[in-house]
Amino acid sequence: QSALTQPASVSGSPGQSITISCTGTSSDVGGYNYVSWYQQHPGKAPKLMIYDVTNRPSGVSNRFSGSKSGNTASLTISGLQAEDEADYYCSSYRSSSTQVFGTGTKVTVL
Amino acid sequence: EVQLLESGGGLVQPGGSLRLSCVASGFTFAGYAMTWVRQAPGKGLEWVSGISGSGGSTYYADSVKGRFTISRDNSKNTLYLQMNSLRAEDTAVYYCAKASKPIAAAASYVDWGQGTLVTVSS
Repeated sequence: QSALTQPASVSGSPGQSITISCTGTSSDVGGYNYVSWYQQHPGKAPKLMIYDVTNRPSGVSNRFSGSKSGNTASLTISGLQAEDEADYYCSSYRSSSTQVFGTGTKVTVL
Repeated sequence: EVQLLESGGGLVQPGGSLRLSCVASGFTFAGYAMTWVRQAPGKGLEWVSGISGSGGSTYYADSVKGRFTISRDNSKNTLYLQMNSLRAEDTAVYYCAKASKPIAAAASYVDWGQGTLVTVSS
């Protein structure tokens, strides 16, 4: 089961916007609106940032937004802040009743 | 407050077995699907297995199918992962997580445990 493809790293200056892509296939990202995004700081458990492609859980900043086009989902962080520096993972339901995570993206705030 | 507490990790030889436990509190355990996610040292997240609230439906990643068994005891609010025929590549921190949907694989996970480290080495 191959992982979803994410860029290894993305960087931006404070206040800027960045976008992280997550590319799959029609059997996962493209076929279902069950894409989630997680933020993970070193040594910590993942934190849910976006679910069902575009929805934010209670308590998550509205600087985080999600979208999807075809087989690619995206997470946008606007007004980048130092605390946003972390690893980010997408995940998607896959047609075999499993879930697959992305390869992960390290976000650096310059 | 939802709490998930994993235990059972440790050092095991290749080919050996280990059973992980995850004790849940702060919610109606039987009402939620649960999942196991792992993370090898310095690597990304990998979905391992999911189970329905009743325990009647279980799902596995290809990498563990036939070797791992997920189960739950709703009377004890506890999730399990029985791991057999362990390999070096199973070395990881194993997290349990509470699913937001009845089908664990379609769910997102708001609540996670702190993780338990499994090391497979001779």
